[in-house]
Order: sequence, then C-alpha cells, then structure tokens
Amino acid sequence: GIQVEQSPPDLILQEGANSTLRCNFSDSVNNLQWFHQNPWGQLINLFYIPSGTKQNGRLSATTVATERYSLLYISSSQTTDSGVYFCAVSFGNEKLTFGTGTRLTIIP
Amino acid sequence: GAGVSQSPSNKVTEKGKDVELRCDPISGHTALYWYRQSLGQGLEFLIYFQGNSAPDKSGLPSDRFSAERTGGSVSTLTIQRTQQEDSAVYLCASSLGLGSYTFGSGTRLTVV
Repeated sequence: GIQVEQSPPDLILQEGANSTLRCNFSDSVNNLQWFHQNPWGQLINLFYIPSGTKQNGRLSATTVATERYSLLYISSSQTTDSGVYFCAVSFGNEKLTFGTGTRLTIIP
Repeated sequence: GAGVSQSPSNKVTEKGKDVELRCDPISGHTALYWYRQSLGQGLEFLIYFQGNSAPDKSGLPSDRFSAERTGGSVSTLTIQRTQQEDSAVYLCASSLGLGSYTFGSGTRLTVV
C-alpha cells in the first residue's frame, strides 16, 4: 500500500514564527488532505489538495503530485495552531492512508 | 445533523466484555469510515461503507471486530471479547465525495 512520511515529527516554535511541514508519499494519488488534530483530539479538515496550491488565511498548502510531496505552510503562528498535523492520501477511493503526523507546539 | 456524532465519548470496559460504538454521520453523506488511533500514533483504517456497496473490511484487525451500517445512515462498530490492546480512540468520519471528510470527536475506549 501507499506509504506516507511526514517531517519533522516534532516542531516547537515561538508565537509569530512561520513553519513548513512536509508530506512525502510513495505512489500516485488522486486525493490528498491535510488535517489538524487539536489538543482535545478533534480532527479538522484543512485542505483537499491533490495538486496545486491553496490558501486559507494564514495557512497554505502546495502539492507537487509528479514529485510525490506536499507542503503545509503556517505563517505568523498562534498558540491555537498547536496540535498534530496529519497528511492523508488515497488513490481510486476515499479510504485514506494517514502519515504519522507532525506535532507542532507554539510557545507564547 | 450538523456534524458527525459519536457515542459514547468514553467507555471503560473489562477485558473479555463486548462493546458497541455508535456513529451518526452527516445527513446525506454516502460514505462512512471507522479509524482507530492509539496513543500518540496516526490513524489506522478499519472499515469503509460507500452507499449500498459491500463494505471494505480490509482494515479490521481480527474477527472480533465487526461493523454495520443500517439504512445507509447510522453505523455501529462492535468489538467482541475486548482485549487490552483494543484500547484506543475510535474515530468515525463521513464524506460526500473527495475532500469532504468530516470526523466525529471519537470514542475513547479503555479496556481494563
């Protein structure tokens, strides 16, 4: 099956800093999503981005499908951005394979 | 409803007992998924229902696990003869096409 690797596994930043999270996947996909799991465990769908670039406020994401990676950018980070960010992919159906996540901690 | 609803939110059970976890998806969402998340880990796929098609059960870890979806809506995940390694957060999601995944808040299962 598809393998999904995320880096870095952990990231600690000062409030206001920018960050880049990376997701590499091992095979062609037609579905790639980024999720944020907040400290209370709730998973929030951030982006559906099988290719191209999208932006939503301070967050943006880029997927280069031909090179099998995606990047999530967080600018001017806030403490509420803390949590675990997951990349998840699939091909041919909607059954997602998740990466192991990047744990982001924003220090006030 | 407005979101995916899961119940109970927490369940503590004795080893060997059976448990049932419930998921009420977003109205109109044709696809429903169950995932499991162990402490500090990513999400592990369990089972996937899509419309009236036969479910994809390829992620169920053993025959103690089963799930059904009645009337294309509510789903129940049943774990028989629970073991301590079954302790995890069980997450349900529903979707209507690619990219519309919405997760519930999960059921935290503790087997003692």
